[in-house]
Amino acid sequence: KQEVTQIPAALSVPEGENLVLNCSFTDSAIYNLQWFRQDPGKGLTSLLLIQSSQREQTSGRLNASLDKSSGRSTLYIAASQPGDSATYLCAVISGSARQLTFGSGTQLTVLP
Amino acid sequence: GAVVSQHPSWVICKSGTSVKIECRSLDFQATTMFWYRQFPKQSLMLMATSNEGSKATYEQGVEKDKFLINHASLTLSTLTVTSAHPEDSSFYICRTGETYEQYFGPGTRLTVT
Repeated sequence: KQEVTQIPAALSVPEGENLVLNCSFTDSAIYNLQWFRQDPGKGLTSLLLIQSSQREQTSGRLNASLDKSSGRSTLYIAASQPGDSATYLCAVISGSARQLTFGSGTQLTVLP
Repeated sequence: GAVVSQHPSWVICKSGTSVKIECRSLDFQATTMFWYRQFPKQSLMLMATSNEGSKATYEQGVEKDKFLINHASLTLSTLTVTSAHPEDSSFYICRTGETYEQYFGPGTRLTVT
């Protein structure tokens, strides 16, 4: 059974800092990995999707990498802003049922 | 991408009553719909998977008689929480899409008093 872990569970940084969020998964046979943002009491916003054949994806100040063999992904946020404060979730699609398994999330607070 | 709506966005109900949550896929044929719930400060946990026109498949530990899922059309899936109790208070989100693209509803906040 696929398990997804995110470290750290919470992170607080001053505005302007670059930061890295980590995600690991136990079954490396994935179809893709996706990073989401969730604001309090809200739904999910997709940030980046990395297909299993890709190593990284970039969007603006966000860069996500994928090392499928080691079961790891990182989300790099450059020049963080208070508006980046949210919970960041990673999720992988794996298995014959194409099941989407979520990590527990990293709650990010960017202090002005 | 496709748009998925959920209704209601939030609901408060009394213990023992039933609540129906609708998930509509506005411009995508949702052959498969996934229902998740999220307790405070926890991640999303898959409750059940439904395919249009057939019975839903429930994850271990999810009571199928309590959480009734109907997926009668390619644009509408419903989740009914029957005889709701305070421990059912949670954030419920539906999802559809293909392997390489996921579409999530905005979620429904259920509070059972």
